[in-house]
This record gives sequence, structure tokens and C-alpha cells, in this order.
Amino acid sequence: QKEVEQDPGPLSVPEGAIVSLNCTYSNSAFQYFMWYRQYSRKGPELLMYTYSSGNKEDGRFTAQVDKSSKYISLFIRDSQPSDSATYLCAPRDNYGQNFVFGPGTRLSVLP
Amino acid sequence: GAGVSQSPSNKVTEKGKDVELRCDPISGHTALYWYRQSLGQGLEFLIYFQGNSAPDKSGLPSDRFSAERTGGSVSTLTIQRTQQEDSAVYLCASSATRGDTQYFGPGTRLTVL
Repeated sequence: QKEVEQDPGPLSVPEGAIVSLNCTYSNSAFQYFMWYRQYSRKGPELLMYTYSSGNKEDGRFTAQVDKSSKYISLFIRDSQPSDSATYLCAPRDNYGQNFVFGPGTRLSVLP
Repeated sequence: GAGVSQSPSNKVTEKGKDVELRCDPISGHTALYWYRQSLGQGLEFLIYFQGNSAPDKSGLPSDRFSAERTGGSVSTLTIQRTQQEDSAVYLCASSATRGDTQYFGPGTRLTVL
């Protein structure tokens, strides 16, 4: 089993749709859960992160972590064409000694 | 302030040649990472530098790959005797210290003919 798994997509949705991007992990030591966004031909950039279980909201984006099932989600409300990118989940442990990037899900929001 | 910069942005080389890729991290960041990203693939960790400690080279795919970081700042990734399978985007990232948010450069797109 890979340490972090994501559906590679591509996921195509119409503008305005609610998008759900998901990630599963296997290492129970992971405590911080980052989401990076990568536009085509650019480096990844941190979008948001959460600590432990629960939800965190930032504008149209909501990150959700369920540590009991080792399942991470990123929700995008009112999706825009500018949200078209690859989204990588990146969990890590408390001390940053163990971190890994998921393979990413490619999202396309159609106008 | 300035972000992570990488040069060149694109590099085309012939099989068997050596290439050097450069990374300028954010000033003051002690941690520096190199990753490889092949088309449609995730980030493959290559090497990690933390301050003056010995680097973590566990991700280097072969002895043709090496990296150094001079003066705790600029880093160079060298690929000797390049092969076609080395074609990928090479990304550099830096963070204030290990485990902190990583800030990525734009990458170097390497094509080996």
C-alpha cells in the first residue's frame, strides 16, 4: 500500500460546482495535513493545512481530516476556471521528520 | 521577499551529457529539497539538505545523480551521463526548517534527447 493515495483524475466539473478532492494515507503518525495547488508548468504552492482531525475553512476552500479512517478531503465551493490545477495532499508527522506528497488530482473547471 | 528561484527554466541535452541545475532558496531557509516530477506523476523526493548536517540522499535514483549546497544557500543538482528516462521537471523547495511549509521554485524542465 502506498503511503498516500489520491485519484489522479482528471476531474472535470462545470463552473460553480462543488468539488471534492480526496486523499487516503496509511501512517498513523501523520498529524499535519497540507494541500498544495500546482498550476501547469509551475511549482506547487501551499493552499492550506489542518492539524489533527476536524475542519478548516478558508474562503471557498474547506479542508477536512478524519484521522480514524485516515481520510483527507478538500472541498471547493463555487468552483472557478482559475481553480483548474493539480491538487496534492501532503501529510506529515509532528516533527516534520516524516512527510510525503500524494500523486495529486488534476482538476479542470469548465466555464 | 524573493521566492525560490531555479535556473535554467528549460534544458535540452543529448543523451550522455552532464547537466547542472541550480536552486536559490529563500534567504534564511535552512532546509532545501530537490524533487523530480515526471509527466503525470507525483513528486519524487531526491535529496534534502538541513543546515550544515549531512544531506539525506535516500531518494537519489542512481549514482549519476549528486547534489551539493554551498555555504548553506545555493544548491546545484548534477546529473552525469544523462539518460532519456531522466527527462522530467526538477523542482527545488526550501523551508525555514525541516517540517515547515515548503516553498517551491518554478522548476527546471529537462529534456534528454
